[in-house]
Amino acid sequence: NAGVMQNPRHLVRRRGQEARLRCSPMKGHSHVYWYRQLPEEGLKFMVYLQKENIIDESGMPKERFSAEFPKEGPSILRIQQVVRGDSAAYFCASSRGDPAYNEQFFGPGTRLTVL
Amino acid sequence: QQPVQSPQAVILREGEDAVINCSSSKALYSVHWYRQKHGEAPVFLMILLKGGEQKGHDKISASFNEKKQQSSLYLTASQLSYSGTYFCGTEDNNNDMRFGAGTRLTVKP
Repeated sequence: NAGVMQNPRHLVRRRGQEARLRCSPMKGHSHVYWYRQLPEEGLKFMVYLQKENIIDESGMPKERFSAEFPKEGPSILRIQQVVRGDSAAYFCASSRGDPAYNEQFFGPGTRLTVL
Repeated sequence: QQPVQSPQAVILREGEDAVINCSSSKALYSVHWYRQKHGEAPVFLMILLKGGEQKGHDKISASFNEKKQQSSLYLTASQLSYSGTYFCGTEDNNNDMRFGAGTRLTVKP
């Protein structure tokens, strides 16, 4: 049973370009979370999605960032017109259901570097 | 909304004990604990639900006091493999999940 998969593992973009980060949850998991982590810092919540629905996006910057989790295919975190401050590790996690009862399984992360 | 963890960092010798605390300003429904090794993804340790429960496996255990909106992680007779950054994740009654800034634990021989 494959774990949470993220790709690419490393992504380099120049300022102004777009970054697309993909996350395939574990089989049977319908809840996906995205987190951002700066070096030597904690996990900052960005967005919580279920299939075709954004449940909580209170951690997402209002501009340039968007996320989706379509009925078919991976969840995608999209960052438009990237800036140097977007450089970070982006982790996605998935769970089977209600966060109260279900652990989150984390993917290996995508390390975004903006030049 | 982010829970507060303390201490920020702790250094132990093998065999010593440590306590990591996590507190929230909001009423909590559950608390999650995770450990992250440098350069790796966080790994689940345990979930505690409101009701004041305690959990543990091996020499790592945790308690959750919902009235005080606090949880503590107890590491007993620490091993070198316990080194890493420990995160608590708190879930409120609206299913909002937030992680603390982490506590960096270093265990030395």
